[in-house]
Amino acid sequence: DTGVSQDPRHKITKRGQNVTFRCDPISEHNRLYWYRQTLGQGPEFLTYFQNEAQLEKSRLLSDRFSAERPKGSFSTLEIQRTEQGDSAMYLCASSEGAVSNQPQHFGDGTRLSIL
Amino acid sequence: GESVGLHLPTLSVQEGDNSIINCAYSNSASDYFIWYKQESGKGPQFIIDIRSNMDKRQGQRVTVLLNKTVKHLSLQIAATQPGDSAVYFCAENIVDDYKLSFGAGTTVTVRA
Repeated sequence: DTGVSQDPRHKITKRGQNVTFRCDPISEHNRLYWYRQTLGQGPEFLTYFQNEAQLEKSRLLSDRFSAERPKGSFSTLEIQRTEQGDSAMYLCASSEGAVSNQPQHFGDGTRLSIL
Repeated sequence: GESVGLHLPTLSVQEGDNSIINCAYSNSASDYFIWYKQESGKGPQFIIDIRSNMDKRQGQRVTVLLNKTVKHLSLQIAATQPGDSAVYFCAENIVDDYKLSFGAGTTVTVRA
């Protein structure tokens, strides 16, 4: 059973550019989550998918952010017109969906640095 | 080393001693709690979870205690090893609200 996989691990880009991250959840997990983590802080929830449906978005997710999970498997998180404040670790997690309150398993994240 | 009751941002522990990491959670409606370990450059790693209908749960070398009266959670690590050095986070979840809310982490350093 492979874990949650995220790509790329690191991304350095100039302010104003668009970036896209990919997350491959644990197979058979139908719930997928995106979190953001800044230095010294715990992860903060961004959005959540049940299969291909995006069911909840945090107010942290401005209109420059969009997430998709088109076939209910992998997910992408795109940030348009990046800003300095977007620099953070972007974490993806997945969990089983059969019952509520299942542990979320995290990938190792994509570290985004905005120049 | 232990920090009974109070959340501390850092904890220094002698190798072989037991560690206690504390966490105060905020929402009385939270009914599911998880402890994660995060090493530098990696994502949070699941350690152990507990539901609100329990007050204690044990895993391999770890025990989680839940006190719903004072909204307090603790993680006990037995015979702490150098590989236990990491940042530890508690996270809470409300039933049918799938997002996790993370507490302030505790950086554990194990002294040889």
